[in-house]
Amino acid sequence: AQSVTQPDIHITVSEGASLELRCNYSYGATPYLFWYVQSPGQGLQLLLKYFSGDTLVQGIKGFEAEFKRSQSSFNLRKPSVHWSDAAEYFCAVMEYGNKLVFGAGTILRVKS
Amino acid sequence: GAGVSQSPRYKVAKRGQDVALRCDPISGHVSLFWYQQALGQGPEFLTYFQNEAQLDKSGLPSDRFFAERPEGSVSTLKIQRTQQEDSAVYLCASSLGPRLQETQYFGPGTRLLVL
Repeated sequence: AQSVTQPDIHITVSEGASLELRCNYSYGATPYLFWYVQSPGQGLQLLLKYFSGDTLVQGIKGFEAEFKRSQSSFNLRKPSVHWSDAAEYFCAVMEYGNKLVFGAGTILRVKS
Repeated sequence: GAGVSQSPRYKVAKRGQDVALRCDPISGHVSLFWYQQALGQGPEFLTYFQNEAQLDKSGLPSDRFFAERPEGSVSTLKIQRTQQEDSAVYLCASSLGPRLQETQYFGPGTRLLVL
């Protein structure tokens, strides 16, 4: 079975600083990878996804992610964090049968 | 509404009670998913429908959990004889078609607390 690891439970960054959230996956074939964001009391919102092609994927809200097959990673980045980015971020891989397998999430705190 | 809606948003149940959670997917979406999110964890897959057919129920934790989607639109997740370990947020998601690459759109979830 596939699995997703998000090594950082919490990350705190200053507003305006750059951000990188780590994600590692285990999957035999070419993975379908996703990043979702969850604000308190809200559902999951899709930030970006990777299916194939260019390994640098652009998403909404200024986020991007890079797929690195050699490292089994799909890290999320943002060059300049805003206070409104404070939320919980989930990396996920799609398994056969369309089900998503999620990591445990990373809580982002933004300090002013 | 354009998004996935779920009701109720919050539910408190006494241990042993039966509960029913409703999901209204985006109109026209063929695929519907239920996930369970325990406190401090990522969502975990419960079950998947394509139209009215339940194609995968491998994630349902016990036979106390039952899901249906009789007309291929609204879905209900029923939990019988609730236990404290059932306390979690139950998320519903829908996607346009059955293809592997379809984006899943999530509802706000139902937060279930079993006392």
